[in-house]
Amino acid sequence: GQNIDQPTEMTATEGAIVQINCTYQTSGFNGLFWYQQHAGEAPTFLSYNVLDGLEEKGRFSSFLSRSKGYSYLLLKELQMKDSASYLCAVKGDNYGQNFVFGPGTRLSVLP
Amino acid sequence: GAGVSQSPSNKVTEKGKDVELRCDPISGHTALYWYRQSLGQGLEFLIYFQGNSAPDKSGLPSDRFSAERTGGSVSTLTIQRTQQEDSAVYLCASSLVAGGANYGYTFGSGTRLTVV
Repeated sequence: GQNIDQPTEMTATEGAIVQINCTYQTSGFNGLFWYQQHAGEAPTFLSYNVLDGLEEKGRFSSFLSRSKGYSYLLLKELQMKDSASYLCAVKGDNYGQNFVFGPGTRLSVLP
Repeated sequence: GAGVSQSPSNKVTEKGKDVELRCDPISGHTALYWYRQSLGQGLEFLIYFQGNSAPDKSGLPSDRFSAERTGGSVSTLTIQRTQQEDSAVYLCASSLVAGGANYGYTFGSGTRLTVV
């Protein structure tokens, strides 16, 4: 079957670094995506990994290990506006053209 | 349009009534997807359309749910005889090509459906 796991909630302090983990078991693999979703808003694209390693984009970085079925999203220099849910999604072989989304991690950034 | 537009943004309906949710994708995007997000839950795939191909309806939870996409553009998700468990945010997304290349989907802001 298909399964994506993420922690339900995390809390961090403004200016700190936080790592949000995602583990997956899917039928095939064609890329892993991270989305940010503020309360009451649509998810917005953050990052995409299809090869092993770290992809850095400003304050956000995403890491992938395909052999371990593992990814993380790293947020540096946290800001209050980073308080949101972070969704991990995997595009596998057997899902047609759609992704399987994890339950999301609700991050609260405290002053 | 510039983004994916969904209407209404909020809908409260009585149990047993039918509802229609509308999605207007980004112009030129051939693929369109509907997802459902219940409170505190992940996104649940419902249906996707790609060009003129038959839609993938594998995620529709029951025969009360149906969707159409007219002219390869606007899509309507219809829920008949609504139940309280249908209460959720219904998200529509579109992409330029099926699978969305490296950039995933562009989501609309969703329709929050409350069945009372």
